[in-house]
Amino acid sequence: DGGITQSPKYLFRKEGQNVTLSCEQNLNHDAMYWYRQDPGQGLRLIYYSQIVNDFQKGDIAEGYSVSREKKESFPLTVTSAQKNPTAFYLCASRDRGGNEQFFGPGTRLTVL
Amino acid sequence: QQQVKQSPQSLIVQKGGISIINCAYENTAFDYFPWYQQFPGKGPALLIAIRPDVSEKKEGRFTISFNKSAKQFSLHIMDSQPGDSATYFCAARGEGSTLGRLYFGRGTQLTVWP
Repeated sequence: DGGITQSPKYLFRKEGQNVTLSCEQNLNHDAMYWYRQDPGQGLRLIYYSQIVNDFQKGDIAEGYSVSREKKESFPLTVTSAQKNPTAFYLCASRDRGGNEQFFGPGTRLTVL
Repeated sequence: QQQVKQSPQSLIVQKGGISIINCAYENTAFDYFPWYQQFPGKGPALLIAIRPDVSEKKEGRFTISFNKSAKQFSLHIMDSQPGDSATYFCAARGEGSTLGRLYFGRGTQLTVWP
């Protein structure tokens, strides 16, 4: 099955710890995106990458970092510098010539 | 600054009724306007999309109306069903160096009563 997988589905973290969220796609898409979703806030863009080894900050990149070493993988690290990390995180991908962004199932991060 | 403004925040409709969600934008360079549907605990999925050279697009019970001069577009759900209960997001796509990036509205939580 082609698609986007995110793991884990639920993640709990203690304050002050870094945590990495996984996003893998087997759609052979060039572009990948990370969004954060909070109630009533819509989807806010954290980082995006249009090709391997290149990525750009979105609107709320502070406290987050990413890497794009492989086309199929775009992991997001939530660092201890992110002041309010509890949220639902969504990864998406898009084919170079396509319009649609395909979303993964999301990871719900809770900071204890 | 919110690039795409969406209203209402929540909507309650009786089964069989029409659900209408509205969005407005300012950037005239936007070139693609999708609507996404999201069920609780799931990722959003594309529902229907339109380009600015078309005033209306219909797919089954779902219709997008687009008013380029007013910089507004809306989603109409005809004969709304309980299974349509979900959160709906409008979006607009940037161009140039941000090609492919979407700007999302804040979402509308639709509840359809049986």
